Order: sequence, then C-alpha cells, then structure tokens
Amino acid sequence: QVQVVQSGSELKMPGASVKVSCKASGYTFTNYHINWVRQAPGQGLEWMGWINTNTGHPTYAQGFTGRFVFSLDTSVSTAYLQISSLKAEDTAIYYCVRDLRGYVWGYWGQGSLVTVSS
Amino acid sequence: QTVVTQEPSLTVSPGGTVTLTCASSTGAVTSDYYPNWLQQKPGQAPTSLIYSTSDKHSWTPARFSGSLLGGKAALTLSGVQPEDEAEYYCLLLYGGAWVFGGGTKLTVL
Repeated sequence: QVQVVQSGSELKMPGASVKVSCKASGYTFTNYHINWVRQAPGQGLEWMGWINTNTGHPTYAQGFTGRFVFSLDTSVSTAYLQISSLKAEDTAIYYCVRDLRGYVWGYWGQGSLVTVSS
Repeated sequence: QTVVTQEPSLTVSPGGTVTLTCASSTGAVTSDYYPNWLQQKPGQAPTSLIYSTSDKHSWTPARFSGSLLGGKAALTLSGVQPEDEAEYYCLLLYGGAWVFGGGTKLTVL
C-alpha cells in the first residue's frame, strides 16, 4: 500500500540549515508529484510548492523562494525539503503530500517538526 | 493576495447535518478551482476527504459530500459522528498555485 514517511523532529539553531526527507513506498515514485505544506504552531496550513518527481522541476509558492529548496533522490524514492538560514518563524510542522493525479491531493506524510531556537 | 475564507467555527449535534463553505476573494468558486477538502484532528496530519469539488477518496466516509453552493465550495456532513470533530480545510487552485482556507473548527456537541 502507499506509504509516505517523513524524517523525525529537528531542533536547530537560528542560521543553521535543515533537510527534511519524505520517503515514499508502495508505488512508482516518479508517477506522482509531491507537494510541501507548512503548519506553524496553532496555525493553519500553507502551501509551499511542489516538485515534479518525473523531471525534478520545483515550483515554489510566494513566500517560499530563496531559502527553501525541494529536491529528489529517485533511487531511494525520496523527496527532500531543505531550509537554509533558519529563523525562529520557520518553527513549524512540515508535511509532504503525494498527489493522486493532477489537482488531487492524496497521501499525507506524518509531518516533521522543525524547531528553531537558541 | 488571494484569500480563501471559511467559517472559523461551527457546532453540530451528533446525528445532525452541517455545511461548511469555502469562498474566494476573487469571486465565485467554480469547478475550475478544483476544490479539495481536508480533515485534521488534533495532533494528527491532515487527511484528504474530497477532490475536484465532489469526488471522494476510497477512504472517505459516505456521510461526507462536496458541492458548489451559492458561489462557494461546500462540504456537507450528514449524520455527524463524534469522531468528525476536527478542523476542516478547503484548498483552491489559482492558475497553478494552491491556496488553503483558514480552516473551520467543527465541534460535535
């Protein structure tokens, strides 16, 4: 069955970088795209963008350009979100979401908590 | 800046029916916005319920249905169960960019 499993919690200092992984199984990884979503503590959901798992081409939402990078390692069916120059306001749960097909949100990872604190 | 608006909170009695709506600051919501609805229970990741306005995932309980209503996307729960108490988010597509609504906290009381 389809599974999307994310890496665990991270505690980082301001200015550091973090890389969150999203490992997929149970299907052909390059057939379905991955979206990334942020949820700050006690807040709603924000779409960060998506990555085409066939071409590796990322698309970033407004507000998520520059310090945010989506990448893939198709050999291990894994998508990555890297955030550099971390700030306290980056503290959030980050979710990866596999689509079912175009414009259909499907399988959510369990979320990865990133805490930025000195 | 596009804004997607949902009711902040609603309360429904067990066994009752409730409709949550999702409005766009750009005007009427149509099927071209590919409305999706998600459910998030406290401390859990969201789960997808509805896509393309009214289509259900294989795991979506039959009591959930989606529609367009008065220029908004709508999610209707019929025969509400206690376990339906959750935050519900709508998601609309604007020319290649997705925008989440602010969420509706549904209380079953």
